[in-house]
Parts: sequence; structure tokens; C-alpha cells
Amino acid sequence: SQKIEQNSEALNIQEGKTATLTCNYTNYSPAYLQWYRQDPGRGPVFLLLIRENEKEKRKERLKVTFDTTLKQSLFHITASQPADSATYLCALDRSGGSNYKLTFGKGTLLTVNP
Amino acid sequence: SAVISQKPSRDICQRGTSLTIQCQVDSQVTMMFWYRQQPGQSLTLIATANQGSEATYESGFVIDKFPISRPNLTFSTLTVSNMSPEDSSIYLCSVEDLSYEQYFGPGTRLTVT
Repeated sequence: SQKIEQNSEALNIQEGKTATLTCNYTNYSPAYLQWYRQDPGRGPVFLLLIRENEKEKRKERLKVTFDTTLKQSLFHITASQPADSATYLCALDRSGGSNYKLTFGKGTLLTVNP
Repeated sequence: SAVISQKPSRDICQRGTSLTIQCQVDSQVTMMFWYRQQPGQSLTLIATANQGSEATYESGFVIDKFPISRPNLTFSTLTVSNMSPEDSSIYLCSVEDLSYEQYFGPGTRLTVT
């Protein structure tokens, strides 16, 4: 089965800096990889999806990279703000194909200090 | 996108009892998913609920413990049966759009005493 590791349980950075979160996986390469944001007491909110044939994807201050050779995705938040403080989850499709089921990592708690 | 609501938002239940969690979506969807998120853990898929057929359960989850109903394309329920303290968790429902993006409800926080 797929195993996902997110680099650390917690990451603290100063406002204005770039936050970089890591997601590593084992076994098969997924067809796509997703990042979600989860605030306390709330369900996860979808942020970005990147497919196996895409190297990089951007959305406003967010950037995701996907390296299928390293089996790794990096999630960047540029010009970070205290409002970016949340837990960020990495998720992969199960089978590397059209299977809709996702496997989630445990998440990284990001704290942006003013 | 989809807007999902869940009821109840939280509950405290006694050991041995059952709780039914409701999930309502603002649009018709084919598949609905039920997840569990235990403290400090990742989301774990319990089952997939398709309208008009029996739910498909993941390894480690059984219908007797987590019966699911899916009476129409906008609604589903998950029952946590014969509860024990180990069932204390957040239960979330979600749906997926055609772009593989999943939308989650706010979750139901269950505490079993």
C-alpha cells in the first residue's frame, strides 16, 4: 500500500518568508497528487492538484512541484502571512490510475509568526 | 464546487450506543465518501457510498459496525454502532468533482465515554 510522509509535524516561519512543505511517497507513482488545507475544527479544503506529467503548478502565492523520480512533492507558500497558519495535507490517488480513492498524509502544521 | 453540511457537529455518547451522522450536499453527486480522522492521525477512508448500491468498505471497516445509507444523490448517513472509546474521532463526508478535487463537510466530532 502507498505510504506518505510529510516532512515534519510542525513548521514555524516568519511572516513574509516562503514556507516549503515536503511530501514523500513510496511504492507506485500516483496519477495525481493533491494538497489540502485544514483549519482546526474544520474539514480539509482543496488547494491544488498536480498530475504526474506536470512538473509545477501555481495558484496565486502557492506553488506545487512534483518529481516522480524522487517520489516527492514540494508545496511552497510565498510571502507567507499569519492567515496561512493551518495544517497542510498531501493526498495521493490510490492506484496510479483512475481510482478516485485518496490516501492522505498526516499533515504539517504551519505557523506563520507576525 | 460543492457545499456540504453535516449533523450533528459534535456529540458525546455512551459506550454501547449508536450515533447516526447525516451528510447533505447542495448538488447531485454520484459518489460520497466517509472518512475518519483520529487525533494526530491522517484521514482514513471508511467507505464509499454510491446511490442505489451497497457501500464499499475499506479494509478494517465492516458494515455491521459502520452501516451507511445513500437514499438519493444529495444525502447519506453513517452510523457508528455499539460504540467504544476507540471510536472517538472526527467523522467527515466528502464528494469528488470531475476534476478529482474533493470537497469535505465540516466534520462530526464524536466522543465516546
